[in-house]
Amino acid sequence: GDSVTQMEGPVTLSEEAFLTINCTYTATGYPSLFWYVQYPGEGLQLLLKATKADDKGSNKGFEATYRKETTSFHLEKGSVQVSDSAVYFCALLGNNAGNMLTFGGGTRLMVKP
Amino acid sequence: EAGVTQFPSHSVIEKGQTVTLRCDPISGHDNLYWYRRVMGKEIKFLLHFVKESKQDESGMPNNRFLAERTGGTYSTLKVQPAELEDSGVYFCASSQDWSRVGYTFGSGTRLTVV
Repeated sequence: GDSVTQMEGPVTLSEEAFLTINCTYTATGYPSLFWYVQYPGEGLQLLLKATKADDKGSNKGFEATYRKETTSFHLEKGSVQVSDSAVYFCALLGNNAGNMLTFGGGTRLMVKP
Repeated sequence: EAGVTQFPSHSVIEKGQTVTLRCDPISGHDNLYWYRRVMGKEIKFLLHFVKESKQDESGMPNNRFLAERTGGTYSTLKVQPAELEDSGVYFCASSQDWSRVGYTFGSGTRLTVV
């Protein structure tokens, strides 16, 4: 079945540092890929998405590129802020799995001033 | 537009008791989903409604969980009787159609069974 693996946290960075959160997936066909973010006390918010190979999703300075050859969708940001502290979830929507999202385990990011 | 609303936001109950979680989707969204995250692990699918019908309930863990969506509007998820391993965060989400661009989640209900 479909699966998503993302790096375990917590990831602790200083403000303005470069961020990478790795995400790899296993799925048949051509899934859509997502990054969701959960800020403290809030729900899951869609951060960015990519629906086909080589697409780059971007939002709020975050980027991720859909790499089919490496089955990856790593999240990056050039300069993190304290306000980016949250839990980040990589997810996929498979072609053969109805409309069900498959999530990774989540990565907690803590950014220190 | 109003987002997906869930309540309560937190619930603490004793093992063996019953708890009912409620989700109000975005108005006009036919698709409603329940997910949960237990023990800080990955978020897992529970079930999917299309209007009032259960489209997919393959993720429901056992028969202690009962989901309903009468009238195709809000949904409830009842856990009866609750067990310790049911503790976690229960998320609801809704979408207008079967587009492959993700859907809108609520803030979740944190359930603690003691």
